[in-house]
Amino acid sequence: QVQLIQSGAEMKKPGSSVRVSCKASGGTLSSYSFSWVRQAPGQGLEWMGGIIPIFGTTNYAQKVQGRVTITADEATRTAYMELSSLRTEDTAVYYCVRGGFRVTARRTDYFNMDVWGQGTTVTVSS
Amino acid sequence: DIVLTQSPGTLSLSPGERATLSCRASQSVSSSYLAWYQQKPGQAPRLLIFGTSSRATDIPDRFSGSGSGTDFFLTISRLEPEDFAVYYCQQSGSSPAFGQGTKVEIK
Repeated sequence: QVQLIQSGAEMKKPGSSVRVSCKASGGTLSSYSFSWVRQAPGQGLEWMGGIIPIFGTTNYAQKVQGRVTITADEATRTAYMELSSLRTEDTAVYYCVRGGFRVTARRTDYFNMDVWGQGTTVTVSS
Repeated sequence: DIVLTQSPGTLSLSPGERATLSCRASQSVSSSYLAWYQQKPGQAPRLLIFGTSSRATDIPDRFSGSGSGTDFFLTISRLEPEDFAVYYCQQSGSSPAFGQGTKVEIK
């Protein structure tokens, strides 16, 4: 049974960057998509972006496009999410999520997010 | 982008009662791409239903999903104490989106 183990909590200043890691324990990255979903305190879920490691393709939500970079290292079975130019409103719990994917000529679809990491709290404060 | 609106915001019910949660999309959603998640306080969400009506692994059969087009539903036939939580619908795709959630609380 695969588990996604995320890195620990982070405290950051506005304007800085944060990098969160997500290691697949008991499984590989191949054949799956990996998304990052965040949840601000007391709020709902927001998809930030995802990666298909086998193709190396990434997709990002418009809201964070240009500030977020998602990568994956199949050799270490680890996915990463880096968010730059941090703002106080980026304070949230960040989840790494495994799911399925479907690739066509026009788009990449992410679905069936069935395995979630434990979450990483990122606090942005001056 | 598709916007998902869940109703009601909060559902107050007693154990043993039936819960029906609604998720309305701003435009038609493929049935293959509608999922439901459960989240308890301090925990990560858990996939309950995918493809509108298929239960995920180890999900009890008191949970069922239905719907098509723009209107989708999650039904919990008889609420157990562990079912009191927040439920999110999600539209999959190139830019997945979640509804704002429905909290099912003990009456």
